[in-house]
Amino acid sequence: DVKVTQSSRYLVKRTGEKVFLECVQDMDHENMFWYRQDPGLGLRLIYFSYDVKMKEKGDIPEGYSVSREKKERFSLILESASTNQTSMYLCASSERGLAGVGLEQYFGPGTRLTVT
Amino acid sequence: GQQVMQIPQYQHVQEGEDFTTYCNSSTTLSNIQWYKQRPGGHPVFLIQLVKSGEVKKQKRLTFQFGEAKKNSSLHITATQTTDVGTYFCAGTDSGGYQKVTFGTGTKLQVIP
Repeated sequence: DVKVTQSSRYLVKRTGEKVFLECVQDMDHENMFWYRQDPGLGLRLIYFSYDVKMKEKGDIPEGYSVSREKKERFSLILESASTNQTSMYLCASSERGLAGVGLEQYFGPGTRLTVT
Repeated sequence: GQQVMQIPQYQHVQEGEDFTTYCNSSTTLSNIQWYKQRPGGHPVFLIQLVKSGEVKKQKRLTFQFGEAKKNSSLHITATQTTDVGTYFCAGTDSGGYQKVTFGTGTKLQVIP
């Protein structure tokens, strides 16, 4: 049974704090993704990684960074949290398909982050 | 950059009525995927369409991919309360590498 886990379901942080969100998958997937989900805006891609130590910016990378030191783990870092980063954060993974053809993504349960 | 819009944003239907959500991309897509997110849950993959004009069915759900590979639709026949949730399309840009852009989603409410 495929599984994507995220370190916390709920997180409350203060403005200016450094925040780490961890994601682990057990499916040996090459691709991993970080999204944020806000009402009316759908899922917006922050960063994705198609291999260890590789990363690509998504649509809204500002204020975020990522780390992928091991294949199964993809971390999202908020260097200095701000209130506009209050959101639901979803991690996902997928196999690597042929170039240009995305494959089914498996999502974690999400982390609801509140920045006060 | 690539944009994927969905309409409507919300839909309330009486149980037994049909429902359709439409997905439109600003660019040509390699493929399109559909996901369902139940209230309080995470998105779960439903299906993937790859070929121009492709139509696929899953029981009461019918998925279509446009001829120009820039739009798609999901139609549910005779909705049930178990269909409640938000439906997302997600397209891979034909010029991109594995980058998938999700639509804005359609939230379906089914009134028993």
